[in-house]
This record gives sequence, C-alpha cells and structure tokens, in this order.
Amino acid sequence: EDQVTQSPEALRLQEGESSSLNCSYTVSGLRGLFWYRQDPGKGPEFLFTLYSAGEEKEKERLKATLTKKESFLHITAPKPEDSATYLCAVQAGVRDKIIFGKGTRLHILP
Amino acid sequence: ETGVTQTPRHLVMGMTNKKSLKCEQHLGHNAMYWYKQSAKKPLELMFVYSLEERVENNSVPSRFSPECPNSSHLFLHLHTLQPEDSALYLCASSPDRARYEQYFGPGTRLTVT
Repeated sequence: EDQVTQSPEALRLQEGESSSLNCSYTVSGLRGLFWYRQDPGKGPEFLFTLYSAGEEKEKERLKATLTKKESFLHITAPKPEDSATYLCAVQAGVRDKIIFGKGTRLHILP
Repeated sequence: ETGVTQTPRHLVMGMTNKKSLKCEQHLGHNAMYWYKQSAKKPLELMFVYSLEERVENNSVPSRFSPECPNSSHLFLHLHTLQPEDSALYLCASSPDRARYEQYFGPGTRLTVT
C-alpha cells in the first residue's frame, strides 16, 4: 500500500538550534515529492519539489533532500517565524496519485 | 485578486441544509483540486479536475457534488451532510495535473450541526 510517513509528529527547538524533519515513503513510481508549510488557519504554502534521488533544493534557512526512500527538510538556525506545520506529499504511479503525510508541527522558541 | 480564493471562509450548516463552496484561481492553471483536512489526519484528496473534466473521485460520498464550469472556477455542492463532515475544505490549483506543485486557497471551515 502506498504510504507517506512524517516524523517527528511535533518538534520544539530553541531559536538557532538546527534540526531535520523526515518524510519516508513507500510508493510505486515516484513522480515527485513536495514540501509545504502550513500556518494555523491558512492553506498550505508550496516550498519545494524534488523529482529524483540525490536532488537538493534550498530556500533561505530550509534545504530539502531526496533519496529513494525518504526526504529530509533541514532547518538551519531557525527563527520563531519558522514555526508552522510542515507537510510532505508524493505524487506517484501511472495515475499520478497524490498522498500527503500527517505533517510535523514545528515550534521555535525565542 | 491573486492566487486562489475561497468563499465563504466559515460556514455553519444543519444536516438538512444545502450549501455550496466556491473556489476561484487567478493563476491560469489547468488543474483544480478539492481536499478535506481533519484534525490528526493527512490531507484527503476528494476530487481532481483537469481542463474542466473530472479525472479523479476518491470514493467521496454522494452528498458532496463538485462542479467545474471553467478552468478558473470550482464549486463543491453540499447536501444532507453529517457531523463527521465538519472539517477544513481546501481548494488548490496547479499548472497541470502531473509533477507540478499545488497552490492552495485559505480554506472554508465547515461545521455541521
């Protein structure tokens, strides 16, 4: 069964304390992996798309990487404004099925 | 208006009511989506439209009825809902259906009483 699992479920960090969020997937025929950020009461906001193992993308304090089984979202020296829920999604198979993970709630303490 | 807009932002309806959710995208995209977001659950894809044709319907109860009159507008017609249908309903669009990121609206918070 196609599945996307994100860990940890929640993460509290001090401002400046770097860490990584994990998204592991078991799907047939990965077409793309997407990272989104969601603030409370808002829709998800697109961050990155990764298409093949070894690919990396960066934006400000965030860096996303992809292997054949998982993706990491690395957060370097986070600030309180990075607090949000981070969602991972994959698109896979001949029917371009879209599957989201449950997300990681990130809280950065000042 | 820019991006993806949704109206209303909040809706409270009884189980016997009929209401509609509206979504409009100003991005020139060809694909539009309806999602349901409930607490502690991943985003659930409900419907996908590509070039105004419904291409995916993920076993959604018939009390939810989508409509896509053109590539910029998407509706979700609701009737005879159940309390467990209370959730955040999100609309999204993407340039095409495959291999593209999605742009989401702010959602409609639906409460069924």
